[in-house]
Amino acid sequence: NAGVTQTPKFRVLKTGQSMTLLCAQDMNHEYMYWYRQDPGMGLRLIHYSVGEGTTAKGEVPDGYNVSRLKKQNFLLGLESAAPSQTSVYFCASRWANQPQHFGDGTRLSIL
Amino acid sequence: KQEVTQIPAALSVPEGENLVLNCSFTDSAIYNLQWFRQDPGKGLTSLLLIQSSQREQTSGRLNASLDKSSGRSTLYIAASQPGDSATYLCAVGTSGTYKYIFGTGTRLKVLA
Repeated sequence: NAGVTQTPKFRVLKTGQSMTLLCAQDMNHEYMYWYRQDPGMGLRLIHYSVGEGTTAKGEVPDGYNVSRLKKQNFLLGLESAAPSQTSVYFCASRWANQPQHFGDGTRLSIL
Repeated sequence: KQEVTQIPAALSVPEGENLVLNCSFTDSAIYNLQWFRQDPGKGLTSLLLIQSSQREQTSGRLNASLDKSSGRSTLYIAASQPGDSATYLCAVGTSGTYKYIFGTGTRLKVLA
């Protein structure tokens, strides 16, 4: 099994550009999460989903949108990228009360 | 609001030592707690998951304990090795939500 796959792995954007990060899981997990990791601040939850067609805000949702049209995919969108969104983005998924499984991350730089 | 703290932020020990990493949380209404390892520039690897009804979990040289009433979890690493060098993160799942709150991690270095 591939587990949790994030696409792309690296990306450089200019301020104001838009992009979508894709997270795909093949474990039939209900819950999916998007986090960002910044130096000295640990992982912070951006948005999450408790099932297909549902999304909810986490701790730091401003400037991001998400969609979960299919159970296996969770998309994170940046409509107008800002330098403050330079970060490493991680996707995770889990089933019921079981451990979260993480992808390898997307390193995003916004100039 | 759940807050998670990990102390110390960094730790350096000689090979072979037994060591304890700490994770504290402010809201004792949790449904589970997960410990992760993160190597530089890499993703998170799950080490142990403790459900709210459990007191401890063990995997090899690792043992994690949970004391909800005091808002604490500890990760015990026996006979540390240079390969254990990494950042260790705890994540707390709070009851009534589906969210996890992470600590900022403990950066461990085991010296050969």
